[in-house]
Amino acid sequence: AQSVTQLGSHVSVSEGALVLLRCNYSSSVPPYLFWYVQYPNQGLQLLLKYTTGATLVKGINGFEAEFKKSETSFHLTKPSAHMSDAAEYFCAVSGPSNSGYALNFGKGTSLLVTP
Amino acid sequence: GAVVSQHPSRVICKSGTSVKIECRSLDFQATTMFWYRQFPKQSLMLMATSNEGSKATYEQGVEKDKFLINHASLTLSTLTVTSAHPEDSSFYICSGGLAGGPSTDTQYFGPGTRLTVL
Repeated sequence: AQSVTQLGSHVSVSEGALVLLRCNYSSSVPPYLFWYVQYPNQGLQLLLKYTTGATLVKGINGFEAEFKKSETSFHLTKPSAHMSDAAEYFCAVSGPSNSGYALNFGKGTSLLVTP
Repeated sequence: GAVVSQHPSRVICKSGTSVKIECRSLDFQATTMFWYRQFPKQSLMLMATSNEGSKATYEQGVEKDKFLINHASLTLSTLTVTSAHPEDSSFYICSGGLAGGPSTDTQYFGPGTRLTVL
């Protein structure tokens, strides 16, 4: 079975500060890892994904994540937070479900950006 | 990117009634569609997966007779919550996938439907 654990349900940063959202995965096979962002009362938007190849993945809005197999991690970072980054962030791993393959989500991390 | 729409965005219904939620892929053909539910301040939980033209496969603990899923075409899937009760109140989100396997398994999510059962 595949799963992800997001460390910290709430993260608060100052505008302009580094954003670091942590995600660790568990997988019996090479994982496919995703970060999604959700704004209030909206669906999920893909920030970035890792499947194979380069372990440093760049996404939209200045976010990036690095796949580290030795640490089973896929942490999300952004050098400088903007107020508009305040949202819920979900890490997910693509894994088998009863029906084939689906996304297994972490519990989410709420990012608060303060002025 | 690929766009998925959901209708309605919000619905309020009385207990015991049925509600249908539509999920459409607007600019791509979704061979697989997924239905999730999300309770407040919680993560998304997969309810079922449907492939066009075949019966949906439900996750453990999800009542297939209560949550009817139809995937009649490559661009439309519907979720019907039958005999809804207040505990069914939730945020329902669909997603469409371009392929069935993990190597290209990017899911594109709809904006969600907020269901409130009185």
